[in-house]
Amino acid sequence: AQKITQTQPGMFVQEKEAVTLDCTYDTSDPSYGLFWYKQPSSGEMIFLIYQGSYDQQNATEGRYSLNFQKARKSANLVISASQLGDSAMYFCAMRATTGANSKLTFGKGITLSVRP
Amino acid sequence: DAGVIQSPRHEVTEMGQEVTLRCKPISGHNSLFWYRQTMMRGLELLIYFNNNVPIDDSGMPEDRFSAKMPNASFSTLKIQPSEPRDSAVYFCASSPRRAGQPQHFGDGTRLSIL
Repeated sequence: AQKITQTQPGMFVQEKEAVTLDCTYDTSDPSYGLFWYKQPSSGEMIFLIYQGSYDQQNATEGRYSLNFQKARKSANLVISASQLGDSAMYFCAMRATTGANSKLTFGKGITLSVRP
Repeated sequence: DAGVIQSPRHEVTEMGQEVTLRCKPISGHNSLFWYRQTMMRGLELLIYFNNNVPIDDSGMPEDRFSAKMPNASFSTLKIQPSEPRDSAVYFCASSPRRAGQPQHFGDGTRLSIL
């Protein structure tokens, strides 16, 4: 079974500062992928970034980077140079990358508010 | 490219009525997922399909819920009869089956059962 834990309370960050959103996971799968999604107040789910468990380097995608620490089973999202539009709910998710099971397991999400 | 298309965007109906939610996945994606999101329970996977075949429906709350995927470009989620506790946002998502590929979500259907 897979489990994603996001325990931070609502996060606040000053515009233009960096912020880290925490995600820890648990799985018995030897190969897996980790995803982050953003859900703004308008409601849509937007894919941000992906990290494979065997990737040699931490994933980056523009202002988003993933601080992947496999031994600690953590996959924290780092947003650099925060913008007001980054205010949203952020979800961490994972899935096994072997076998036929393609479903994602989601965490409960973290609310981020960016202050001007 | 068109994303995942869901209809309707909003639905308000009275308890006991049948509700049908529709989804058109991204062309070429062979996995399709239905989710429900509420404040209390967060994002829950209801059912998913691979190549139009239901693989895991363990998240379907009860027999009032049913989902079909008659072809690769269309899926429905039906609630009959609907109850106020079914009020939620229902998302459809699709992805290729290849490992590492993200699920792409539709804009959701906001369902209110009065």
